Amino acid sequence: DIQMTQSPSSLSASVGDRVTITCRASQGISNSLAWYQQKPGKAPKLLHYAASRLESGVPSRFSGSGSGTGYTLTISSLQPEDFATYYCQQYNSIPYTFGQGTKLEIK
Amino acid sequence: EVQLVESGGGLVQPGGSLRLSCAASGFTFSSYRMSWVRQAPGKGLEWVANIKQDGSEKTYVDSVKGRFTISRDNAKNSLYLQMNSLRDEDTAVYYCARDALPHDCWGQGTLVTVSS
Repeated sequence: DIQMTQSPSSLSASVGDRVTITCRASQGISNSLAWYQQKPGKAPKLLHYAASRLESGVPSRFSGSGSGTGYTLTISSLQPEDFATYYCQQYNSIPYTFGQGTKLEIK
Repeated sequence: EVQLVESGGGLVQPGGSLRLSCAASGFTFSSYRMSWVRQAPGKGLEWVANIKQDGSEKTYVDSVKGRFTISRDNAKNSLYLQMNSLRDEDTAVYYCARDALPHDCWGQGTLVTVSS
């Protein structure tokens, strides 16, 4: 199974800050990498797929990048509604596996 | 509007069984693979199983193989998860998700609690 290691596990930031979350795969996943946002009590919401493609309706302040085994999610200017938990997921091979999550909190 | 609505969760004793359902609407259900993903209380996400469009291929995470069975009824636009021999560690919110690789639409989830 492909292991996904996400960092940091938690992050405190302020509105307007630029933040970056990193996800590393235990082997190459050919850019089959998705990012999700989850708020308490809600289902995850897809932000990015294919490492860098923005899902329809997602604000452009979210950007994804990376290749091979290393990927990042950047939020260019944090908004109040962005405080949530973020997960990466590889869908290159079964079983699809998620990172452990990054909880983004207000400083 | 694409919608997925899970049902069937509840409290069950260890060793018991439960069948989850997911009703799909707003898209051509038979054109998509579908998955179940779960989340234990306060924990991260875990993909559980998926099924091909025609039901001919099914894959599972190792921890549920031999205990859980995913199925679908395209005529009813419905996805199912039969869960047998339930364990404490199966306690989680179970989400159904559309597989557009990755999961582009999710239901609201249904809570399964395994406890004596």
